[in-house]
Amino acid sequence: DQQVKQNSPSLSVQEGRISILNCDYTNSMFDYFLWYKKYPAEGPTFLISISSIKDKNEDGRFTVFLNKSAKHLSLHIVPSQPGDSAVYFCAAIHPTGNQFYFGTGTSLTVIP
Amino acid sequence: EAGVAQSPRYKIIEKRQSVAFWCNPISGHATLYWYQQILGQGPKLLIQFQNNGVVDDSQLPKDRFSAERLKGVDSTLKIQPAKLEDSAVYLCASSLSRLNTGELFFGEGSRLTVL
Repeated sequence: DQQVKQNSPSLSVQEGRISILNCDYTNSMFDYFLWYKKYPAEGPTFLISISSIKDKNEDGRFTVFLNKSAKHLSLHIVPSQPGDSAVYFCAAIHPTGNQFYFGTGTSLTVIP
Repeated sequence: EAGVAQSPRYKIIEKRQSVAFWCNPISGHATLYWYQQILGQGPKLLIQFQNNGVVDDSQLPKDRFSAERLKGVDSTLKIQPAKLEDSAVYLCASSLSRLNTGELFFGEGSRLTVL
């Protein structure tokens, strides 16, 4: 049962444009959401997070939006750079037990 | 600050053989996780430790997988006997505490190929 879903396995964007990565979840109990970035042959690294009491969090070129009623979050990268090319995973935390649930990932390619 | 260390990075075995993976979390991190990531999928939690106690092992195939964290520091994940479908990257992660809603710190992973 996949509680966190990323329906786009891949995305290609021109350098300088906006990248929008989407994530949907099914469990309304999730209270914290994170985005991780993964390069080949490396472990995922933390990128940005958002609490369920907020609807937006911004960190430099990265902004995460949360729509609780739609159980949807998105990651915006502006402007996109070739170094952003990686697989992006969204994750949600269930408050009981602090369990992290990961999506299936979206492979982003930023074309120079 | 040293990151999460995992070994071996790569392992190739035949089905029905056994394998063990080792993880040393970031110093001071009380919570340790083992994830299985099959190609094209997101990481799936196998087991979560808080110090040397198991918090969640509901998705660990206990007939063949075992994990321990005897002294509350490093951990070992064992598979015996391995099946073809166990081919995956095994990721170890740690965090400061169970109640920490911040980030997980991942190791580079151990890639297992079962032939």
